[in-house]
Amino acid sequence: AQTVTQSQPEMSVQEAETVTLSCTYDTSENNYYLFWYKQPPSRQMILVIRQEAYKQQNATENRFSVNFQKAAKSFSLKISDSQLGDTAMYFCAFMKQFGDDKIIFGKGTRLHILP
Amino acid sequence: GAVVSQHPSRVICKSGTSVKIECRSLDFQATTMFWYRQFPKQSLMLMATSNEGSKATYEQGVEKDKFLINHASLTLSTLTVTSAHPEDSSFYICSAKTGDNQPQHFGDGTRLSIL
Repeated sequence: AQTVTQSQPEMSVQEAETVTLSCTYDTSENNYYLFWYKQPPSRQMILVIRQEAYKQQNATENRFSVNFQKAAKSFSLKISDSQLGDTAMYFCAFMKQFGDDKIIFGKGTRLHILP
Repeated sequence: GAVVSQHPSRVICKSGTSVKIECRSLDFQATTMFWYRQFPKQSLMLMATSNEGSKATYEQGVEKDKFLINHASLTLSTLTVTSAHPEDSSFYICSAKTGDNQPQHFGDGTRLSIL
């Protein structure tokens, strides 16, 4: 069975700073996808970034980037130049590439961007 | 693109009432949709996988007679909470995939409160 662990329940940083959210996972699969989802106070789940396990290059989406370490089963999210609108709950998630398309979510990290 | 609409966004009703929640994919066809439940300050818990034209697949511990799922078309899945009780109060979220090995896109969620 796959598991996703987020060890930081809550974090706070000043606006414009860079913050890194950690995530580790456990799986015996070789082909899979990893995601970071954002859930702001409005409660909608928004896909922030996606990484295919077969790609060595780390995914990047504007101010969001990941540090994917496959051997270490680590998938951290870096938010650069943080903005007040980044305040949200962030979930790390795992999905097998060839399977039932179920997503396994971590417990989340609540991120507060302070003015 | 890839918009998922969930309705209603908020429901307050008396104990014993049955409540139907709709999940629609607005600009794509979804053969598979997912229903999640989220307790306050917790992660998403997968309840069931909804398959168009066939029976839903429920996760262990989820009562299929309590949470009825119907996926009658490629753009609509419904979750009916039958004879709802206060312990069923929660945030329910649906999601849908645009294709194989694609990330799930989430609806805005439904906050269900049973008095």
